[in-house]
Amino acid sequence: SQTIHQWPATLVQPVGSPLSLECTVEGTSNPNLYWYRQAAGRGLQLLFYSVGIGQISSEVPQNLSASRPQDRQFILSSKKLLLSDSGFYLCAWSLDSIYSYEQYFGPGTRLTVT
Amino acid sequence: KNQVEQSPQSLIILEGKNCTLQCNYTVSPFSNLRWYKQDTGRGPVSLTIMTFSENTKSNGRYTATLDADTKQSSLHITASQLSDSASYICVVTAYGGATNKLIFGTGTLLAVQP
Repeated sequence: SQTIHQWPATLVQPVGSPLSLECTVEGTSNPNLYWYRQAAGRGLQLLFYSVGIGQISSEVPQNLSASRPQDRQFILSSKKLLLSDSGFYLCAWSLDSIYSYEQYFGPGTRLTVT
Repeated sequence: KNQVEQSPQSLIILEGKNCTLQCNYTVSPFSNLRWYKQDTGRGPVSLTIMTFSENTKSNGRYTATLDADTKQSSLHITASQLSDSASYICVVTAYGGATNKLIFGTGTLLAVQP
């Protein structure tokens, strides 16, 4: 069966510090991978998605970046965090098919920028 | 503009009672509609998924309906339990090239009280 992992679960970082969140998927190959952010009282916002190694698409301009160094690894990074980067970050995966309807979400990372 | 609107924003009901959550959408081209349950601090988990041709889908005590003509969906919860307390998110998928695009509602926060 497939599983998705995210770490860390919670993170408190000062403004201006770097960020690295990691997501890994097990039990499937060549998945589509996604990073979402959920701000308090807001819906999920798609930040990045990837259809393959080294292929990253950005949905919104921001000071965050994403990388996919391996087939089942997706990393969200920032060189300098802003207060507005606080939120709940979710990684998700889906099968490599436009007819795949289901996205499976990880447990999330709660990021607080102070 | 693709949008998904949910109502009410929040709801409090007594254990054992039924409730209905609403979702209106303007998404094109429409692929499917999903309802997710998100426990506090956790990733969303899919409850039901319906394509254009499906009017209703059940998952235990959860029943979702879809009216593609009026672009409305509802999620009915029967005989609520304390564990139903969560945010319920309506998600509509639009066909989008290499990967489908998900449009998220902001959710309805349900609190079930004893």
